[in-house]
Amino acid sequence: DIQLTQSPSFLSASVGDRVTITCRASQGINNFLAWYQLKPGQAPKVLIYVVGTLQTGVPSRFSGSASGTEFTLTISGLQPEDSAVYYCQQLYSYPLTFGGGTKVEIK
Amino acid sequence: AQLLESGGGLVQPGGSLRLSCTASGFTFNNYAMAWVRQAPGKGLEWVSSISGNADTTPHSDSVKGRFTISRDNSKNTLFLHMSSLRAEDAAIYYCVKCASTCQHQWFDSWGQGTQVTVSS
Repeated sequence: DIQLTQSPSFLSASVGDRVTITCRASQGINNFLAWYQLKPGQAPKVLIYVVGTLQTGVPSRFSGSASGTEFTLTISGLQPEDSAVYYCQQLYSYPLTFGGGTKVEIK
Repeated sequence: AQLLESGGGLVQPGGSLRLSCTASGFTFNNYAMAWVRQAPGKGLEWVSSISGNADTTPHSDSVKGRFTISRDNSKNTLFLHMSSLRAEDAAIYYCVKCASTCQHQWFDSWGQGTQVTVSS
């Protein structure tokens, strides 16, 4: 199984900050990686897929990138509504595994 | 796309439950679907996927032999048949629409989830 190591597990930042979440895969996944946002009481939603493609309707302050087996979600200009838990997921091979999650708190 | 789960509830260990997901807003049989769960205080876990014509149905090792995914394309409905339930199966179960297939694509729509509690 492909393991995804996501870091940090928690971060606290101020409105306007640039924040970065990292997801490291245990083997190559050919860029089949997506990022999801979970908020309490809401359906989860996809933010970015295939490493860097922004889902329609997602603000452009969200971006994704990759370097080998290390993947990054960046929020440029953190907003209050970005308080959530973020997960990466590999869709290269079954089982389709998720990272452990990153809780983002607004100071 | 809209996905509405139902069928969750309280079940005793060893019991069975069937979850349903009614889909609308897209041509259901053209898309693979999946179930993802989140146990209390834990992260997301993929449970199972099913292709549009139901010929491919991978399951996670943690549920293999106990859970079965299926679909009724005539009723735009996805199912998860769960048996021999264990305490560790307690979770919110999300119905998910895949962008096309699930593998090599992404999960582009999620339901609100249905709660499954396993307790005596």
